[in-house]
Amino acid sequence: DVKVTQSSRYLVKRTGEKVFLECVQDMDHENMFWYRQDPGLGLRLIYFSYDVKMKEKGDIPEGYSVSREKKERFSLILESASTNQTSMYLCASSPPDRYAPQHFGDGTRLSIL
Amino acid sequence: AQSVTQPDIHITVSEGASLELRCNYSYGATPYLFWYVQSPGQGLQLLLKYFSGDTLVQGIKGFEAEFKRSQSSFNLRKPSVHWSDAAEYFCAVAGNQAGTALIFGKGTTLSVSS
Repeated sequence: DVKVTQSSRYLVKRTGEKVFLECVQDMDHENMFWYRQDPGLGLRLIYFSYDVKMKEKGDIPEGYSVSREKKERFSLILESASTNQTSMYLCASSPPDRYAPQHFGDGTRLSIL
Repeated sequence: AQSVTQPDIHITVSEGASLELRCNYSYGATPYLFWYVQSPGQGLQLLLKYFSGDTLVQGIKGFEAEFKRSQSSFNLRKPSVHWSDAAEYFCAVAGNQAGTALIFGKGTTLSVSS
């Protein structure tokens, strides 16, 4: 089975801090994704990557950046955390084909105080 | 633009009753469609997917979905709901290009009453 592991289930940070969310997948998938999930808004794409060192902006990239130095790892960075970034963050990975389903981690619930 | 609509925000069903969750999509070509389930505090788990062929697809946990091109719908069904099915359900369509992300509906929360 595909395993997507997010480094933290719960995280509490302060406004202005630089925050790193880590995601690792063990199936050699080319694609990796970061989503943000908020009540009533569903999942919104922040960034995705289709290869090492490649990244593409999603629907809501403002205030975020990403890093993919190795194929199995995709990091989401909050450059200067703000309270409106309090949310559930979900990482996913998939093969490159359109018909390939994405596999999700368990999520990181991030609170910015 | 591609989009997915789940008209029902919240549904309550009695245990043992049948279930249908609605999903409508907007997509120009043949869509690749997915249903995911999210239990409280967990990530998303794939229930089933449709790519082509038989329009009735079977998934895990006793779920099925029917693709109806004429109605742009991909509704999820289960003949008899169990209390453990209480969760949030998401319908999604694959984007246009290989490697692009899924486009999700806003989700339907299912409650199961005894």
